[in-house]
Amino acid sequence: EPEVTQTPSHQVTQMGQEVILRCVPISNHLYFYWYRQILGQKVEFLVSFYNNEISEKSEIFDDQFSVERPDGSNFTLKIRSTKLEDSAMYFCASGRTVLNQPQHFGDGTRLSIL
Amino acid sequence: DQQVKQNSPSLSVQEGRISILNCDYTNSMFDYFLWYKKYPAEGPTFLISISSIKDKNEDGRFTVFLNKSAKHLSLHIVPSQPGDSAVYFCAAQNNNAGNMLTFGGGTRLMVKP
Repeated sequence: EPEVTQTPSHQVTQMGQEVILRCVPISNHLYFYWYRQILGQKVEFLVSFYNNEISEKSEIFDDQFSVERPDGSNFTLKIRSTKLEDSAMYFCASGRTVLNQPQHFGDGTRLSIL
Repeated sequence: DQQVKQNSPSLSVQEGRISILNCDYTNSMFDYFLWYKKYPAEGPTFLISISSIKDKNEDGRFTVFLNKSAKHLSLHIVPSQPGDSAVYFCAAQNNNAGNMLTFGGGTRLMVKP
């Protein structure tokens, strides 16, 4: 069964450094998402991406965040200058359509900011 | 953000019995609901979903019930198996207002052999 893959599984970064989280969505999916889960909290939506542009973003997704689909397979989340509070599990998801279709999640990247 | 709530943080059930996980929501504009299962160190795995035009959807041992007037959905697992032990998240989407999922806080299900 096709799946969403994320790399790395764990990223440790110094505060203030840039970090790029990578995702390979399911190949025939057109909609791509990033979510995060801070330890002990709910899974929170960050951003959705379709047709090479952001279609929706949450208040969390400020100017420090950006997303890109640099080629036909990868989907990346960049945090420009990391803060301690960016420490979380970051999940990538993809979906074939948006109407009444599930989003499928990767196993996440644990981001630890020191 | 309390739009989707799972009031039971944990549930313990004997193998072979029914597991019932509950979820409440406040946003009446939600029209698509999903259940995900999550094991440690893995991402949420899609289990089953239901559109707001239905009140029941069944897939093998898993059945989701939707009560729109009560803004309540539940997931029934029959019979429960030890491999079902995981954290279960309900999530909701408003198809007319973007495609973000709003998640509940999760319920940890433990199925005892």
